[in-house]
Amino acid sequence: DADVTQTPRNRITKTGKRIMLECSQTKGHDRMYWYRQDPGLGLRLIYYSFDVKDINKGEISDGYSVSRQAQAKFSLSLESAIPNQTALYFCATRGTSDYNEQFFGPGTRLTVL
Amino acid sequence: GIQVEQSPPDLILQEGANSTLRCNFSDSVNNLQWFHQNPWGQLINLFYIPSGTKQNGRLSATTVATERYSLLYISSSQTTDSGVYFCAVITGANSKLTFGKGITLSVRP
Repeated sequence: DADVTQTPRNRITKTGKRIMLECSQTKGHDRMYWYRQDPGLGLRLIYYSFDVKDINKGEISDGYSVSRQAQAKFSLSLESAIPNQTALYFCATRGTSDYNEQFFGPGTRLTVL
Repeated sequence: GIQVEQSPPDLILQEGANSTLRCNFSDSVNNLQWFHQNPWGQLINLFYIPSGTKQNGRLSATTVATERYSLLYISSSQTTDSGVYFCAVITGANSKLTFGKGITLSVRP
């Protein structure tokens, strides 16, 4: 089984709808991250969490919120989806240190019509 | 913040050829990783290499931290090597992984 899983893998929704993307990990890592990727660009950080009680904004957090339900679960919400949030979304995990390797989930393709 | 520049932006190879992908970064780093994004969008970890040299089959990587660059070598390329290769780094300042814009590799049969 994959160490980092994301659900759903694909989602098409309409403008104004609320959407939740979920991430689970079995690696036992404390740090979890949400990124988005737009065509032709690298990944940009939306939110990150160093433990259950710690949530931090990334470089593009506007229009998004997150919840860290447990060490292993980190969800991303779009309260009112808009078309320019159409992107590939990745969850990632890392151990406690900057010197640890980061691992990514398989991604969620989100289309907002 | 730290700048990560990858070159060349695009690369087309004939199957069996060798290639070198470069990553330059503007500050000292605690962590450097290379990823391969396959045509299905999945990010595959290739190397965790903040310094030194590592090899994994036909792929190898070298990071010269003092000169702020890393190189990814692909030998005897195969069509399955096609995709986008990303370099990403963490500095001590923010503990966040910063990505370059990627190198798009196309290997033709």
